[in-house]
Amino acid sequence: DAMVIQNPRYQVTQFGKPVTLSCSQTLNHNVMYWYQQKSSQAPKLLFHYYDKDFNNEADTPDNFQSRRPNTSFCFLDIRSPGLGDAAMYLCATSSTSGGANEQFFGPGTRLTVL
Amino acid sequence: GQNIDQPTEMTATEGAIVQINCTYQTSGFNGLFWYQQHAGEAPTFLSYNVLDGLEEKGRFSSFLSRSKGYSYLLLKELQMKDSASYLCAVTDSNYQLIWGAGTKLIIKP
Repeated sequence: DAMVIQNPRYQVTQFGKPVTLSCSQTLNHNVMYWYQQKSSQAPKLLFHYYDKDFNNEADTPDNFQSRRPNTSFCFLDIRSPGLGDAAMYLCATSSTSGGANEQFFGPGTRLTVL
Repeated sequence: GQNIDQPTEMTATEGAIVQINCTYQTSGFNGLFWYQQHAGEAPTFLSYNVLDGLEEKGRFSSFLSRSKGYSYLLLKELQMKDSASYLCAVTDSNYQLIWGAGTKLIIKP
């Protein structure tokens, strides 16, 4: 089945220790998104890729970086995680080829910062 | 600014009907989505409205009035598994998705 995969599902890191979250997709969608979601809050868009074009949200901290080496993979790098970065990180994809362009989400990575 | 409003929490009884409302103020409109999110899981797509009216999909229906900036999600024949958060999201003129904070729906036997 075509899907969005995130690894790991649960990640524990120490304050200030860099961490990388990964996302892959078999949907062949041209747009990929990274969201941060904290409990009982709306997902907050960090950045998205439209094909290879990187789009950074204005309020995304510099501590967050992203890479998309090819259509299928996208990575979220947190250079120096703080306690406030503990959250669920959601990867999503969509296609601009027509239709509703709904976003398909991976299962998320829950990040804990000790 | 852009804003999506929906109730924080609702409670309903198994087998009943519940309506979750969403109002929005966005710079432009290119469609409204409803997503379901179970606790600790990712959102899953439920419905999409871009024209005024009612879209029915099994036990779930979604309504849109663009002139009023209003939508609702109607859930019929509620089941315990429908306990989840329901997020309303609007695509603005830049095709950015603006999210509401979600409505937590609690189903009681």
